Amino acid sequence: KAGVTQTPRYLIKTRGQQVTLSCSPISGHRSVSWYQQTPGQGLQFLFEYFSETQRNKGNFPGRFSGRQFSNSRSEMNVSTLELGDSALYLCASSLGQLGANNSPLHFGNGTRLTVT
Amino acid sequence: AQSVTQLDSQVPVFEEAPVELRCNYSSSVSVYLFWYVQYPNQGLQLLLKYLSGSTLVKGINGFEAEFNKSQTSFHLRKPSVHISDTAEYFCAVSRSGGSYIPTFGRGTSLIVHP
Repeated sequence: KAGVTQTPRYLIKTRGQQVTLSCSPISGHRSVSWYQQTPGQGLQFLFEYFSETQRNKGNFPGRFSGRQFSNSRSEMNVSTLELGDSALYLCASSLGQLGANNSPLHFGNGTRLTVT
Repeated sequence: AQSVTQLDSQVPVFEEAPVELRCNYSSSVSVYLFWYVQYPNQGLQLLLKYLSGSTLVKGINGFEAEFNKSQTSFHLRKPSVHISDTAEYFCAVSRSGGSYIPTFGRGTSLIVHP
């Protein structure tokens, strides 16, 4: 069974641009959650999508948005990029919604975004 | 609100020695507890989890952790480490029941020397 796939692996953008990251979950998984990992702030929850609906949202500005398609694939968009958005962005999929204790998170290898 | 403190940012140890990675949490409600491992240039992989029941939890790769409610701790242990255990380890906590948004610790870098 294929794991969680994130594309692209690396991205370099300049301030003010926007970026779209993609996440393909494990087949059959309906929940996709996104995380930002930085040396300064550690690993922080961005949002979760389940059955094409945003179910939970972390404490990030509205520049960070996402969506989920009917095949459970998810995209995350960041508009008006800032230098501080440079990070490793991880997505994780699970069979059930976050909170279901029989649904462990399976992480992708991440997209490393560098904003110059 | 909940929080997680990993007391050591870096733990150096020699191969075949025992290791303990410390994790303390704060929460006003019952919690689920997790340890994840992250190898270089990879995502996180679940090592073990505590949901309920026995306070000693065994995970993959020979790791185990003990939930101590009175001390609000969930320390990770391995009796004998290998070079391949060199990685970043994250403790995470979430509210039990209902919607769970995990809160992660800052991570502990385990460095195993030959």
